[in-house]
Amino acid sequence: GAVVSQHPSWVICKSGTSVKIECRSLDFQATTMFWYRQFPKQSLMLMATSNEGSKATYEQGVEKDKFLINHASLTLSTLTVTSAHPEDSSFYICSASPQETFYGYTFGSGTRLTVV
Amino acid sequence: LAKTTQPISMDSYEGQEVNITCSHNNIATNDYITWYQQFPSQGPRFIIQGYKTKVTNEVASLFIPADRKSSTLSLPRVSLSDTAVYYCLVGESGSARQLTFGSGTQLTVLP
Repeated sequence: GAVVSQHPSWVICKSGTSVKIECRSLDFQATTMFWYRQFPKQSLMLMATSNEGSKATYEQGVEKDKFLINHASLTLSTLTVTSAHPEDSSFYICSASPQETFYGYTFGSGTRLTVV
Repeated sequence: LAKTTQPISMDSYEGQEVNITCSHNNIATNDYITWYQQFPSQGPRFIIQGYKTKVTNEVASLFIPADRKSSTLSLPRVSLSDTAVYYCLVGESGSARQLTFGSGTQLTVLP
C-alpha cells in the first residue's frame, strides 16, 4: 500500500532557530501533499496544501513566511519552521495519496517539535 | 465541506462491539464518508470509506442510512489496542482534496 515517510520523528530546537521536516511518498508520486498541526488533546488542523512545482496554499491564519513549504519533486515535500518559538511546539503531520487509485489518505508518522 | 458531529468520548470493554455514530446533516451528493483512527503521537490511519448502505472490511463496518445524514462505524470485538481517537470525515473523494478533521471520538477500551 501507499507509504508516507516523515522525518524526523521528533526534534528539539532552540528559540530563534529553524527546523526542517521532510515528508516523502515512498511508493507513489504525489502531486499534492498536505501539512497538518496538532496540539495536545486537539484535532488535526490543516496548515497548508503543498503542490509540486508551484507555491503552497496556506490556510487562513497560517504565516507563510514562518512555515516555508517546498514541494520540489513528486515524492518530497518539506516544511521549514523558521525562527521557531515555544508556541510553535506541536505535532506536525503530512499526508498524501496516490493519484491513480484514491481510497483514503496516507499520513506520515508525524514530527514532534519542541522549541525551548 | 460538510461539518461532522461525533461523541467526544466512549468507553467499552474488551470483546464488545462498539458503534460510533457521526452526524453530517449537510452532506453533499458527491461526498464520501471516511473514518480514520489515530493513536497518540502517530499520524491518522485510514479505516474505512463508504458512500451509501454498508461497507465492510477486515477491521470494521460502516453503516450509512438512505438519507446519508449520519453514519455508524462498527468495530467488532474490540481489544485494548483499539483504544484511540476515531475521526469521521465527509468530503469528495480525490487525491487533491484537503481533509477537515472534526473533534473525533476518544474510544477507551477497558479490560
